[in-house]
Formats: sequence, C-alpha cells, structure tokens
Amino acid sequence: EAGVTQFPSHSVIEKGQTVTLRCDPISGHDNLYWYRRVMGKEIKFLLHFVKESKQDESGMPNNRFLAERTGGTYSTLKVQPAELEDSGVYFCASTTWAPGGNTIYFGEGSWLTVV
Amino acid sequence: AQSVSQHNHHVILSEAASLELGCNYSYGGTVNLFWYVQYPGQHLQLLLKYFSGDPLVKGIKGFEAEFIKSKFSFNLRKPSVQWSDTAEYFCAVGQPGTYKYIFGTGTRLKVLA
Repeated sequence: EAGVTQFPSHSVIEKGQTVTLRCDPISGHDNLYWYRRVMGKEIKFLLHFVKESKQDESGMPNNRFLAERTGGTYSTLKVQPAELEDSGVYFCASTTWAPGGNTIYFGEGSWLTVV
Repeated sequence: AQSVSQHNHHVILSEAASLELGCNYSYGGTVNLFWYVQYPGQHLQLLLKYFSGDPLVKGIKGFEAEFIKSKFSFNLRKPSVQWSDTAEYFCAVGQPGTYKYIFGTGTRLKVLA
C-alpha cells in the first residue's frame, strides 16, 4: 500500500514568489491534515479536511496560505506571496475515521526555503 | 492552552545505554498520547500510542512509554539503544475523537557506535 506522498520534497523560492505543495493521501483516507514545522520549533497543526471540506483551519497562519482538496483526493497548499518566516517543513497526514482514535500516517514532508 | 514539553532537545548516548526521553503535557481532560520518530530522510512514524487501559505501553523496536496521569507525563524508554535509533523523537497529544495533535519540539537522539 502506498503511503502519504508529498511533492516537491524540497523547494527554494524567493520572497514574494508563490509555491504550491501537493499531498496525496493514502487511498480511501477521508481525513487529511497539514502540519508545519518551522526550524527548531514544534510541529504545528495547520488544517484538517474531511473529504473536500475544511473541517478545521484554525492553525492557518494568515491569508497568504490557501489549502484546497478538490474532489476529496489530493490536497494542495499554496503560499502566496511567500515570506521568509514561511520556511520550514510542511507535513501532510491522512487517516480513516475511528471513534476511539486511530493512527494517522505522515508523509515525508516538503521542505520549503524562502530566501 | 494545551502544550507539550520535551525537556531534552539533544541527547547523545553510546550503544547499549538506556534511554529515557521526557514528555509532559498540559491539558486537564482526557487525552490520547503518542510518540513519533523521524529517521533521517524518512517520514514520521508512530512508535507507540496510549488511548486507555494499561499505562505502560509497548511499541515497536523495543520502545515503551509510561503514562503517569498525576504527573501529566508520558516518558519514552528503551533499555538498550542501538546506533539505528539515531533519529528525532516527537511526543504528541491529541483529544479523543480528533487528530489535531499538539507536538513537542522534538528530541534529537544520536547513538554512537
């Protein structure tokens, strides 16, 4: 079974440019999450999709970040325009739903460097 | 606000040494607790998790963790580390019914051969 895949694995862009990160969850996983780790800090929740709907986007830092999940399959996270403080690792994770709890599966992350 | 503290940011051990990584969380309600590991160049992998029941949880690769509710702690242990355990370890807390985890800042473990 394929895991959660993320693209690109590394990206270096200039301040003010736009970057789009993509996440392909495990097939059949309705729940998709984006997390971010700024260098040296904790991994922080950004948002949660259930199928194509945004269930919780309380962690999105500002309106320069736009996440979509058209059709409830893969998701994209666009940063426009990118700022220096956006540098970090962006993780995607997915899971099925289980009332008592379940394991979520993370991708390898997309490393973003804004220069 | 919920938070997770990992007190050791960098740990260096020799092979066969014992490991204990501290994790404390602040949240008054019921929580699910996790330890994740990220090996160099790989994705975050679940080491172990606690939802309920026996507070001593055994995970993969010989790791275990003990949930002490009164101390709000979920420390990770391994009796004898190997060079292949070199990685970054993350403690995480989540509320039951949600996967909106709160992570600690991570602990980088380096095991010397």
